Amino acid sequence: AQSVTQLDSHVSVSEGTPVLLRCNYSSSYSPSLFWYVQHPNKGLQLLLKYTSAATLVKGINGFEAEFKKSETSFHLTKPSAHMSDAAEYFCVVSEPANQAGTALIFGKGTTLSVSS
Amino acid sequence: GAVVSQHPSRVICKSGTSVKIECRSLDFQATTMFWYRQFPKKSLMLMATSNEGSKATYEQGVEKDKFLINHASLTLSTLTVTSAHPEDSSFYICSARDASSFEQFFGPGTRLTVL
Repeated sequence: AQSVTQLDSHVSVSEGTPVLLRCNYSSSYSPSLFWYVQHPNKGLQLLLKYTSAATLVKGINGFEAEFKKSETSFHLTKPSAHMSDAAEYFCVVSEPANQAGTALIFGKGTTLSVSS
Repeated sequence: GAVVSQHPSRVICKSGTSVKIECRSLDFQATTMFWYRQFPKKSLMLMATSNEGSKATYEQGVEKDKFLINHASLTLSTLTVTSAHPEDSSFYICSARDASSFEQFFGPGTRLTVL
């Protein structure tokens, strides 16, 4: 069975400093991995996804993540935090996309706080 | 990009009544839709998988008679919370899987408050 572990429930950074949100996964298959962001009282927005192509995935708003099979990790990074990045971030795993009916499995989430 | 809508966005109801939430894929066909529940400051919990034209598959611990799911067309799935109680108050989110690309797209969610 697939699962994801987000290693930090809360991360605080200063504006302009780097962001690192950690995620480890467990999967019996070659996984598809995603990062979603949820701003307060808003819906989920896809930041980026890995589906067995390039291991370094670039997403929206300057975020990127690197798939490391040897470490079973998919950490999310951003070189310079912005106040608008403050939100809840979810690491998500899925079975390969060609298996119909498979749901996304969400991590518990990491709250990112950005101070000025 | 693909859009998924949910209606209503917010609903307040009295204990004992039933509430129906709609999830629509606006510009693509979705053979599979998923219903999630999110408690405050918590992650999303998968409730059920809804396949067009067949019965939904419920996750362990989710009462199928309480959370009725119907997926009658390729663009619409509904979740009905029957005989709602205050503990059913939550944020309900649906997602729809594009039948051609298999990508999933999320709706904006429905905040249910049961008084």
